[in-house]
Amino acid sequence: ILNVEQSPQSLHVQEGDSTNFTCSFPSSNFYALHWYRWETAKSPEALFVMTLNGDEKKKGRISATLNTKEGYSYLYIKGSQPEDSATYLCAYVGGNTPLVFGKGTRLSVIA
Amino acid sequence: EAGVVQSPRYKIIEKKQPVAFWCNPISGHNTLYWYRQNLGQGPELLIRYENEEAVDDSQLPKDRFSAERLKGVDSTLKIQPAELGDSAVYLCASSGLAGYSEQFFGPGTRLTVL
Repeated sequence: ILNVEQSPQSLHVQEGDSTNFTCSFPSSNFYALHWYRWETAKSPEALFVMTLNGDEKKKGRISATLNTKEGYSYLYIKGSQPEDSATYLCAYVGGNTPLVFGKGTRLSVIA
Repeated sequence: EAGVVQSPRYKIIEKKQPVAFWCNPISGHNTLYWYRQNLGQGPELLIRYENEEAVDDSQLPKDRFSAERLKGVDSTLKIQPAELGDSAVYLCASSGLAGYSEQFFGPGTRLTVL
């Protein structure tokens, strides 16, 4: 059974704080790592699709890094805002396996 | 451009009843996915279509679940008969590239089985 772990499970931060979450995945047979944001009552929205070891991607105040050799990815949010409150999901794609999501990190940004 | 459309948004049924969910992907997207999300879990892939072909359905419980995408555009997911444990959010997604590329999700159907 493939294990994609996300930590922490939930997080509360103050507006303006920077924060980060972790996604751990199998390091063998790696193909791609996806990050999605899922706000309550909305559809999940793609943030990044990462494929190369050492990849760093950025979208506004959100960035992500990828280490395929050790099997982890970090998602960073700089200067958190209340509108960043959502569940952040990572999903691993292996060479011979379908896409597997982690359970997500639920972020609450308090104004 | 319209996003992925799903209907219904909510469905409440008695156990042992049948239920069907419908999905219309983004125009031109050949790859379509159905996911099930149980409370507190991440979405779990049920089936992936490339055009009208089901290329990955290893996690679809085939005794009671079926799916079709007859013309390679919209798709239907059916459960017959429904069980209490089927209560979940059923998500549809599509992507413009083959395989597991960036996906665009619909709003989901929240199913409650009583």
